[in-house]
Amino acid sequence: KNEVEQSPQNLTAQEGEFITINCSYSVGISALHWLQQHPGGGIVSLFMLSSGKKKHGRLIATINIQEKHSSLHITASHPRDSAVYICAVGTSGSRLTFGEGTQLTVNP
Amino acid sequence: EAQVTQNPRYLITVTGKKLTVTCSQNMNHEYMSWYRQDPGLGLRQIYYSMNVEVTDKGDVPEGYKVSRKEKRNFPLILESPSPNQTSLYFCASSFGNPRSSYNSPLHFGNGTRLTVT
Repeated sequence: KNEVEQSPQNLTAQEGEFITINCSYSVGISALHWLQQHPGGGIVSLFMLSSGKKKHGRLIATINIQEKHSSLHITASHPRDSAVYICAVGTSGSRLTFGEGTQLTVNP
Repeated sequence: EAQVTQNPRYLITVTGKKLTVTCSQNMNHEYMSWYRQDPGLGLRQIYYSMNVEVTDKGDVPEGYKVSRKEKRNFPLILESPSPNQTSLYFCASSFGNPRSSYNSPLHFGNGTRLTVT
């Protein structure tokens, strides 16, 4: 079993829909990252969080440390949100372990 | 402009021919790391460094070397590349330990697509 599991693996939505991507992990962590990988391959950090909730524009990230679970929400989705979304957790020392990613496609 | 610069973007080489992929950041970040990305496996950490002259193995260090002689540079060295090292490689940096509760978001380079024949 992977230390970091993301669901769903693939997600197709219509423009305007509310989207949720989930990340569950099995190890103790003190921080979790959400990343966005564009179709061209570049990776951008969206959020780094250790508790509670963070919001940036239409993106919201939440984390529940006790349940070892985080969610990334996108409100009013748009075709430009189409990308791969990756969850990463800090494990031992300064290592990072990544989920396999969720491929999101938003259709106009 | 704050950035992480990786070179080259594309590299095709043959088995056994030593190569170096360079990574440089201009943000005075302490933490730098290398990852490889393969279909179905996601991103996996190769090596990381918390500061000059301090490096540690990630999940898949076999066949790779790194060095951190200066804070800004963190080259990835493949002494004898093999076809199973064909992959997309990313360098990343952050101000502090990305595992800590302080705000240390990762900054990624644009990636290097390596093909070893």
